[in-house]
Amino acid sequence: GQSLEQPSEVTAVEGAIVQINCTYQTSGFYGLSWYQQHDGGAPTFLSYNALDGLEETGRFSSFLSRSDSYGYLLLQELQMKDSASYFCAASWNAGNMLTFGGGTRLMVKP
Amino acid sequence: ETGVTQTPRHLVMGMTNKKSLKCEQHLGHNAMYWYKQSAKKPLELMFVYNFKEQTENNSVPSRFSPECPNSSHLFLHLHTLQPEDSALYLCASSQDRRPTEAFFGQGTRLTVV
Repeated sequence: GQSLEQPSEVTAVEGAIVQINCTYQTSGFYGLSWYQQHDGGAPTFLSYNALDGLEETGRFSSFLSRSDSYGYLLLQELQMKDSASYFCAASWNAGNMLTFGGGTRLMVKP
Repeated sequence: ETGVTQTPRHLVMGMTNKKSLKCEQHLGHNAMYWYKQSAKKPLELMFVYNFKEQTENNSVPSRFSPECPNSSHLFLHLHTLQPEDSALYLCASSQDRRPTEAFFGQGTRLTVV
């Protein structure tokens, strides 16, 4: 089936760097996205990787390795406001169905 | 404000009620989606519409009935729901060829009693 795996929880301290990993089913894989969702809020788009390598957007970077069926979201200079759930999501076969991972709850501590 | 507006934000309904959720997007997108988000479960895609045509129905029970009268509006009609249908229902939109960059509404928190 088409599924994604990511850790359920990660804790880090303010100012640190944290990496949230995501592994996915390979067959027909098209691209990997990352979303952030604060409690009570809507998921918001962070980044998208269709090709191998690193995409950087400010403090956030996303990486994809197709050969390893693996990607990650890297958050640098963590701030308290980064405490949220982070979801990886993927599409397969260029279709319109976006499948989400279970989400990683990030807790940033002072 | 994400450009995608959902109403109502909260809804409590009995199992014999009929209600509708509404979604409106002002982003000029031509693809719209309904997702269900339950506690301790991944976001589940329910329906996809492209240019007002339904292109995906992810094995959703018939007690959920979508309607897309135009590219800017999407409805989810609810009928004889079960308590396990209680969840956050999220609407999203995207450009047709960029489903991986979706814009979500704030969701409707549905409770079935």
